[in-house]
Amino acid sequence: GAGVSQTPSNKVTEKGKYVELRCDPISGHTALYWYRQSLGQGPEFLIYFQGTGAADDSGLPNDRFFAVRPEGSVSTLKIQRTERGDSAVYLCASSNGTFYTDTQYFGPGTRLTVL
Amino acid sequence: AQSVSQHNHHVILSEAASLELGCNYSYGGTVNLFWYVQYPGQHLQLLLKYFSGDPLVKGIKGFEAEFIKSKFSFNLRKPSVQWSDTAEYFCAVTLNSGNTPLVFGKGTRLSVIA
Repeated sequence: GAGVSQTPSNKVTEKGKYVELRCDPISGHTALYWYRQSLGQGPEFLIYFQGTGAADDSGLPNDRFFAVRPEGSVSTLKIQRTERGDSAVYLCASSNGTFYTDTQYFGPGTRLTVL
Repeated sequence: AQSVSQHNHHVILSEAASLELGCNYSYGGTVNLFWYVQYPGQHLQLLLKYFSGDPLVKGIKGFEAEFIKSKFSFNLRKPSVQWSDTAEYFCAVTLNSGNTPLVFGKGTRLSVIA
């Protein structure tokens, strides 16, 4: 079956603009995760959804970052007033479970560049 | 807070050489440990994981990792690497409850040359 997909694959924006990044998880996966991977770093956890609700948003760096998953499938990560430091690859993962230990299947990521 | 250290940033090996990539974590309690791999142009994928039991864990493609609790380590090994093992390797940890997010190391880039 299809894996996790993310759109767009690349996004270039200007400082101060608003961006939305989309994640389509594997069909039937109840858990969805967002990570941010900066250059030379490993993925850094942002937020975890179980169904429609954000079960853990402790990784969101500040209130400019927000994510939704209104129907329990597709999720959108929203970044307001982008800053150059937001430039990174944003990864989405999904799993068929309720624990962080369940195997997470990653998407290809969206590379965000803030000029 | 948990942290994961991967000592080697870039490792270059010839085909058939043996591989060992280091991973150390900082948490003193019971942990779950993972190795993920990202091949060029591909998604991050799970290589192997350790929850409990036999500390020597075998994964896909001939990889294995050994959990040494006294050393807070979970090193990845392969006896004989192939060119196709060229990739970036990430170690990750979460607490035994499985209720805390994965914490990843910075990754080790492996280049295998013919």
